[in-house]
This record gives sequence, C-alpha cells and structure tokens, in this order.
Amino acid sequence: NAGVTQTPKFRVLKTGQSMTLLCAQDMNHEYMYWYRQDPGMGLRLIHYSVGEGTTAKGEVPDGYNVSRLKKQNFLLGLESAAPSQTSVYFCASSSTAVATNEKLFFGSGTQLSVL
Amino acid sequence: SQKIEQNSEALNIQEGKTATLTCNYTNYSPAYLQWYRQDPGRGPVFLLLIRENEKEKRKERLKVTFDTTLKQSLFHITASQPADSATYLCALSFNDYKLSFGAGTTVTVRA
Repeated sequence: NAGVTQTPKFRVLKTGQSMTLLCAQDMNHEYMYWYRQDPGMGLRLIHYSVGEGTTAKGEVPDGYNVSRLKKQNFLLGLESAAPSQTSVYFCASSSTAVATNEKLFFGSGTQLSVL
Repeated sequence: SQKIEQNSEALNIQEGKTATLTCNYTNYSPAYLQWYRQDPGRGPVFLLLIRENEKEKRKERLKVTFDTTLKQSLFHITASQPADSATYLCALSFNDYKLSFGAGTTVTVRA
C-alpha cells in the first residue's frame, strides 16, 4: 500500500538553483495538493490541482510552479531557489473536494534546505 | 481573515492521564473540523472528523467535541500511553479546496 510517495526525501540547494519535487499517488485521487510546513506556522497550501491538466494557486504560491500532466503525479518546481524556501514540503491527495468532508492523505515529506 | 489557533505550549502528561488539546478558530463557520496526528519526520495522518451538527465524536480512546458557538474544538486522549506522543493538528475547510491547518500541539506522554 504505497499511498502517496514523495521524492526526494532530502535535498540541499544553493541559492538560485532549480529543482523539481515529485509526488505520486496510487489511489486514483482527483485532488492533489502541495503544502509547506515551517516551525510554528502550520501547513500552508502552495498549489493544488482538482484533476489531470489543472492547477491552481494556494495560499503561498510565489516562487513555485506545478504541473499535473498525469492524474497520479503532481510536480512542484522551484525555478530559482531562495533561503526563504527552506522548509519541509508535503504532498497530499483526496478523492473529492475537502468541502465534501474529505480527508487528506499525506506523503512523508521532503526536507529542503537552501543555502 | 480566517485564523486557527492551537495550544501553543507543548503538553507533557503522565501515562494513564487524559490529554486535552484546544483548537480555536475565528471569522468563519466551518461545516466540519478534522484532527490529524503527525509523528517526527512523517506526514500528518487523519484521525477524526466532526461535523457542525455533531457535538461529540469518539474513536477508541480519542474524543472530539465541536462547539460552534464558542468556535472551538477540544481533542481528548484518554488513558494516554507513551505511543500517543506526537503532534496533533486541527484542520478546517474555509472553501471548497483548501484545508487550513493549525500549527499543532506536541504531546509527550511519560511512562
């Protein structure tokens, strides 16, 4: 039972470098989300997708881009990393919209450090 | 804007006692509220959901209450065990797609 899988688990970048975080889910969920978690601030939504080929901005989208070319995958890109993007990134998925009382399934996270 | 606040202090309790966590929210009337558990180095895991028309919900040793007048949810862990040590997050949906989370309360249960 893989659920939601994130790669990589850890990454160190230098300021200005780019990278892509991959999220894959095997539950055939329509909705996928990227959150970041910082100490004392809780999880903040970066971008989300309500289906294959769709993406939308969340609460803190600046500096990030996303793509959902396949239903099971949701990619998060950092084009030019900044130290403020040092954080733990979580991908999540749900079968329907959260407004319908749907719970989220989370991956195990990616610890990203930008030096 | 909407705001979710949880106990900012960590909670340290003796095994067998009841842990009570608080989640307060402002400027909204959500239809339901969720609680998640997060262990170090892991993603949050769903525990319980309570709807606005439900005053109380139970699951094994967990109990959640939801007071929409006070805009508050209480999360109780009864007969606590060291394995209950974790961070607990409350979450609310303020619109169709966004689930907003509190910062969490860390619980440590001493044997």
